[in-house]
Amino acid sequence: EPEVTQTPSHQVTQMGQEVILRCVPISNHLYFYWYRQILGQKVEFLVSFYNNEISEKSEIFDDQFSVERPDGSNFTLKIRSTKLEDSAMYFCASSGTGPPYEQYFGPGTRLTVT
Amino acid sequence: GQQLNQSPQSMFIQEGEDVSMNCTSSSIFNTWLWYKQDPGEGPVLLIALYKAGELTSNGRLTAQFGITRKDSFLNISASIPSDVGIYFCAGPQGAQKLVFGQGTRLTINP
Repeated sequence: EPEVTQTPSHQVTQMGQEVILRCVPISNHLYFYWYRQILGQKVEFLVSFYNNEISEKSEIFDDQFSVERPDGSNFTLKIRSTKLEDSAMYFCASSGTGPPYEQYFGPGTRLTVT
Repeated sequence: GQQLNQSPQSMFIQEGEDVSMNCTSSSIFNTWLWYKQDPGEGPVLLIALYKAGELTSNGRLTAQFGITRKDSFLNISASIPSDVGIYFCAGPQGAQKLVFGQGTRLTINP
């Protein structure tokens, strides 16, 4: 069964460093998303991406964040200058030509900022 | 923005028992989704509901879209150890964004 994959599974970085989190969405899906989950809290929307552009973003997704689909399969989230409060699980999700709300999530990247 | 409130926050049950949990909102949703999250993993979509009053099953799981469109329920029958995890309800806010509840943590005693 097709699934969303994410790399790395765990990333440790120092405050102020740039990180890139990578995702391979399900191959025939058209909508791509990033969510984050701070430890013990609920899942929060960051950004949605369709047709090679951001279609929606939350207030969390400020100028430090950017997304890119560099080729036909990868979808990346870049955090330009990490802060301690960026420590969280970051989930990539995708949805297909059916209802856009049926979003399928990857296993996540645990980002630890020290 | 719309907030989803789940209850109970946690449940401790015996294997074999049935489970009921719910999700409520102060505003109307046109879609309800239920996800399960295992420790250290991403949420897995269990059931999607699109019509008020709809009752949908997925194996031992049954979910209902409340007729007021402000609530949804998830039932698990004859629980087994692999049902352990956190169950999240979610609904759309805007064109594509999902908003999640805070989750119901299910623990099963064998």
